[in-house]
Amino acid sequence: GAGVSQSPSNKVTEKGKDVELRCDPISGHTALYWYRQSLGQGLEFLIYFQGNSAPDKSGLPSDRFSAERTGGSVSTLTIQRTQQEDSAVYLCASSLEQGSTTGELFFGEGSRLTVL
Amino acid sequence: KQEVTQIPAALSVPEGENLVLNCSFTDSAIYNLQWFRQDPGKGLTSLLLIQSSQREQTSGRLNASLDKSSGRSTLYIAASQPGDSATYLCATNDYKLSFGAGTTVTVRA
Repeated sequence: GAGVSQSPSNKVTEKGKDVELRCDPISGHTALYWYRQSLGQGLEFLIYFQGNSAPDKSGLPSDRFSAERTGGSVSTLTIQRTQQEDSAVYLCASSLEQGSTTGELFFGEGSRLTVL
Repeated sequence: KQEVTQIPAALSVPEGENLVLNCSFTDSAIYNLQWFRQDPGKGLTSLLLIQSSQREQTSGRLNASLDKSSGRSTLYIAASQPGDSATYLCATNDYKLSFGAGTTVTVRA
């Protein structure tokens, strides 16, 4: 597709369950980001992947959160043992490359997670 | 740590009026600054990207300026329309984006 694709668009789960959120970036984009937007809150950085470099995980809120990026393309954000405070919209973005004059970020529509 | 502030938090104007949205940031060591639009329940749509070496960027009715030395950017929207109603976010890029809380704009018909 032409844009960043995220799935599922909506996910309702019970407290304690694990969830996986998927992001398919724009083809050819080497940089991929995950952000979280909680109700009434700003966007919170979670994790950043750039090519084959080690990811920047400094924004992950706890060790229940993890992410991987396979083959330099698709990324999966996994939340284990979900808590109600994990309820938020999880946004993925990609860019051609990091820290350059072509560093414009493009966002997907987000995955809305509700933990009951 | 970069701190990004957007003022005002909300703005309501009649159709046809020009909009001025302000963004300030604390660390001038940025690659670029990006303005986004977010409609309710939707993702972010990129509006303008200003490189750190640029002073302004224009796209149609939108114009954004950047003054790194004072840590400020301003988004101007000319001749506002009801379809411009949305939340506008600015973000600085020092390899990862730091976002402001946004300005929610309502344009009254």
